[in-house]
Amino acid sequence: ETGVTQTPRHLVMGMTNKKSLKCEQHLGHNAMYWYKQSAKKPLELMFVYSLEERVENNSVPSRFSPECPNSSHLFLHLHTLQPEDSALYLCASSLTGNDNSPLHFGNGTRLTVT
Amino acid sequence: AQKVTQAQTEISVVEKEDVTLDCVYETRDTTYYLFWYKQPPSGELVFLIRRNSFDEQNEISGRYSWNFQKSTSSFNFTITASQVVDSAVYFCALSEAFGAGTASKLTFGTGTRLQVTL
Repeated sequence: ETGVTQTPRHLVMGMTNKKSLKCEQHLGHNAMYWYKQSAKKPLELMFVYSLEERVENNSVPSRFSPECPNSSHLFLHLHTLQPEDSALYLCASSLTGNDNSPLHFGNGTRLTVT
Repeated sequence: AQKVTQAQTEISVVEKEDVTLDCVYETRDTTYYLFWYKQPPSGELVFLIRRNSFDEQNEISGRYSWNFQKSTSSFNFTITASQVVDSAVYFCALSEAFGAGTASKLTFGTGTRLQVTL
């Protein structure tokens, strides 16, 4: 299996639920990212992990909690979300370095909060 | 702060027409990278091209070509003889240069939805 795989593809959850999004990359990369894509807005960078250490947290509410247990796996734990959190959540990976290697993205998880 | 503007929200063309997607960027960095990604209905963003700020040569890859104009801070993308399979949302993105061992941070535009019809 190659590339970046995200599960589930679709998720519907109530505001009181707790769920997790999973991302796995098989590209030998050492940086992983969570992006949020809402309608008519630019992709928003949420979290960056480089060499399994969180290096970026773009003022994301605490109801989103990332976890990166190793360089191949990334999770986004969700709890007490709001309807405005409904969006496509995209995971990406890349190689760290000084040549800005391109990000490789997964298919995303379409999240609906009811 | 970095900013990417894709003024064209949606473009509709008939197959075999040429189409140009505009991208204008803002940055204070002297070294930076520009990218184009394609997002088909499946949702995955597909990497198309990366260009660093010191390389202003235009690039052609099959039916795709890119025109980097540093003087106007633009990085436009042209599809020649468009096909239905080109229908997607196209994103332009900008990244500042980072040192070894650091991750990239892309600033994306809002995207241009391209619809190619028969």
